Amino acid sequence: DAGVTQSPTHLIKTRGQQVTLRCSPKSGHDTVSWYQQALGQGPQFIFQYYEEEERQRGNFPDRFSGHQFPNYSSELNVNALLLGDSALYLCASSLGETTPQHFGDGTRLSIL
Amino acid sequence: GDSVTQMEGPVTLSEEAFLTINCTYTATGYPSLFWYVQYPGEGLQLLLKATKADDKGSNKGFEATYRKETTSFHLEKGSVQVSDSAVYFCASRESYNQGGKLIFGQGTELSVKP
Repeated sequence: DAGVTQSPTHLIKTRGQQVTLRCSPKSGHDTVSWYQQALGQGPQFIFQYYEEEERQRGNFPDRFSGHQFPNYSSELNVNALLLGDSALYLCASSLGETTPQHFGDGTRLSIL
Repeated sequence: GDSVTQMEGPVTLSEEAFLTINCTYTATGYPSLFWYVQYPGEGLQLLLKATKADDKGSNKGFEATYRKETTSFHLEKGSVQVSDSAVYFCASRESYNQGGKLIFGQGTELSVKP
């Protein structure tokens, strides 16, 4: 039973570029949440997708956008990258919004 | 707004020592509470959870009790092992929150020496 998978594992970009991160949820899960984890900090909620719609959003600018596909997989897009966007981006999936969230190993994004 | 506060680390213990990592929360409702563990280079793994006051979550020798009167959810283990070395995160999720977002503490790094 595959868990949450994220790609790529690592990514290096320069300021001003755009990036797309991908997530496949755990089998049987239909809800995907994205978090940003800066070095030495706890994860911060970006947004959550359910039934291909954004259900809730954290305190992140519009440069951060997402999408959920009919197979429940999801993408996180970040435009106009800033140095401060360097972080580990975690995807979590769950069945609905009340069951525990299961996390992938994350994508390490470095901005030069 | 809602928040979670954990004791600062790093915490360094000898093998077989007793572990306590303190966690307190603020919330307007009645949140569910979680402990997650993160090993180097990996994502977060759910360690245990509690959904209402006085519930005790337990897993792999770790325990935490949901204390509404003190708004706390302290993590304990009677005898730690070297393999328990990791970063531990306390998190809350509001029961009324239809988005189900998790609010995390800053994490506590645990290092267990042989």
